[in-house]
Amino acid sequence: GIQVEQSPPDLILQEGANSTLRCNFSDSVNNLQWFHQNPWGQLINLFYIPSGTKQNGRLSATTVATERYSLLYISSSQTTDSGVYFCAGDRGSTLGRLYFGRGTQLTVWP
Amino acid sequence: NAGVTQTPKFRILKIGQSMTLQCAQDMNHNYMYWYRQDPGMGLKLIYYSVGAGITDKGEVPNGYNVSRSTTEDFPLRLELAAPSQTSVYFCASSYGTRLGRETQYFGPGTRLLVL
Repeated sequence: GIQVEQSPPDLILQEGANSTLRCNFSDSVNNLQWFHQNPWGQLINLFYIPSGTKQNGRLSATTVATERYSLLYISSSQTTDSGVYFCAGDRGSTLGRLYFGRGTQLTVWP
Repeated sequence: NAGVTQTPKFRILKIGQSMTLQCAQDMNHNYMYWYRQDPGMGLKLIYYSVGAGITDKGEVPNGYNVSRSTTEDFPLRLELAAPSQTSVYFCASSYGTRLGRETQYFGPGTRLLVL
């Protein structure tokens, strides 16, 4: 299968700070997605970003498919950004087999 | 739209018991998935379905069964529960075609404890 490495594993920020989360894949992936799991366990999709750059408010993501990595940027962080951020992707040919990283645990203090 | 719904939210099972985790979606998605999430880990795919009547194994299918008789429902069956199946189970759905798939939408999860 595909190995997905996320860094850093843990990140502690003060409100208002910016951060960059990284996701590396061991092989080419399709359908790359970023998710946020809030402290109550709910998984929310943030971006569907197989390539290029997308922005949604204070969050943006960039995927460089040829170099097998993706970045998630969080600007002006807020306490509600706390939780675990996952990236995931699949190989396209194996429909449905989404490979997840272990996540980045983000804690934002007021 | 309710999105993806799961029942129950929490369940305790004794070793050897069986149960069915329910999942339903009202977005007319053709693809549906079951994942498990162990503490401190990402999600691992158990089973998935690309449409009614079609299911296939994911990474960790042993000890589970699924069926997909309708587009909306995708129940996960645990036979002979074991402590190793203690986990949080997530159901998800997405819309897919031969050209690709859209983002997956997740249910709220079912916490299962096997004692």
